[in-house]
Amino acid sequence: DSGVTQTPKHLITATGQRVTLRCSPRSGDLSVYWYQQSLDQGLQFLIHYYNGEERAKGNILERFSAQQFPDLHSELNLSSLELGDSALYFCASSVGSDNEQFFGPGTRLTVL
Amino acid sequence: SQQGEEDPQALSIQEGENATMNCSYKTSINNLQWYRQNSGRGLVHLILIRSNEREKHSGRLRVTLDTSKKSSSLLITASRAADTASYFCATESNDYKLSFGAGTTVTVRA
Repeated sequence: DSGVTQTPKHLITATGQRVTLRCSPRSGDLSVYWYQQSLDQGLQFLIHYYNGEERAKGNILERFSAQQFPDLHSELNLSSLELGDSALYFCASSVGSDNEQFFGPGTRLTVL
Repeated sequence: SQQGEEDPQALSIQEGENATMNCSYKTSINNLQWYRQNSGRGLVHLILIRSNEREKHSGRLRVTLDTSKKSSSLLITASRAADTASYFCATESNDYKLSFGAGTTVTVRA
């Protein structure tokens, strides 16, 4: 158990819908990262927050947005969902920005 | 796009043998990390090696880094069935982004 929690574990929804994925980092970790893992694209970095502020942006679509709240938990919002958005979404946390990352168990999103 | 590329894509070894996988990357890095992932589950951090380090050990794991060749290797000694997993290298660059390779799938046969 990494100490990072993600909810929900599974999510099944329809195209065009909007979903919110939630992540609670390990106690004391200030950085939260979001990743998307799919069979064709592999593991892709989406976005990194540090202590509430966006630190780095990766291959995140404009339909996706994220935020980190004062209590350091983070949410990833996915809107106007498409079939291709079906993937495993991982959250990870670390103490700072140049440290090992601890991954949550992931949220499996299926868009039908 | 992926910065790191692992080689080989897949590896099958007998229990007790050593497993070696390599990672090559393209741009300068702050550090390079190796992770393990069991099927469909979260990634587990194995080792982080910084750009000014050349070698690091952790239990049965040995990682080397050659920044002049932009490559790293992960050696698992005396493999066990429980080592069966996918192994990913990830490079962290100056812009705080962690880029993962496609991974090496390791199967350890009993």
